[in-house]
Amino acid sequence: AQKVTQAQTEISVVEKEDVTLDCVYETRDTTYYLFWYKQPPSGELVFLIRRNSFDEQNEISGRYSWNFQKSTSSFNFTITASQVVDSAVYFCALSVPNAGGTSYGKLTFGQGTILTVHP
Amino acid sequence: NAGVTQTPKFQVLKTGQSMTLQCAQDMNHEYMSWYRQDPGMGLRLIHYSVGAGITDQGEVPNGYNVSRSTTEDFPLRLLSAAPSQTSVYFCASSRRPPPPDTQYFGPGTRLTVL
Repeated sequence: AQKVTQAQTEISVVEKEDVTLDCVYETRDTTYYLFWYKQPPSGELVFLIRRNSFDEQNEISGRYSWNFQKSTSSFNFTITASQVVDSAVYFCALSVPNAGGTSYGKLTFGQGTILTVHP
Repeated sequence: NAGVTQTPKFQVLKTGQSMTLQCAQDMNHEYMSWYRQDPGMGLRLIHYSVGAGITDQGEVPNGYNVSRSTTEDFPLRLLSAAPSQTSVYFCASSRRPPPPDTQYFGPGTRLTVL
């Protein structure tokens, strides 16, 4: 069975601080995909990144960066110079295939981390 | 494109009532799914569909039915609502895997069962 753990329930920072959101996953599959989603106070879910298990390169997108380490089964998300608009719930999710590949669409979500950025 | 739309946005039911949550997408996505979001538990998959006429169960399917007669629509039916089904429900769609594509989520339906 798959599992995603986001041990940080809530994080509070002051604007311009850097913040890292942790994500640890469990799966026996060697092929899998990892995702991060953002849920702002308005409630919608916004896709941030998708990463497959064969690509361990770190990724940077503006103030966002992701550190994928298969050795520790972690896919951590860092926001540099945080802003008030970054306040949201952030979810890490995992997708693994079945024989037909159709289960790839089934996302296993972590519990989410509530990030509050204070001005 | 409207993306993924859900109706209603809010709903209050009494225990034992039935209702259908509507979900539609205009992106010609084959893959659609329903999740429920509960505090401290993230999102959990209820049912999913890989195309018209094909559905399957997710992690928490009990108490819910789905059908997929068209590519665009994927309604979720609560046959006899229970307080445990109080939650926020999200519908999502994507191109058919594999590999897993970005899933686009609707705005959600907040359901309260009294």
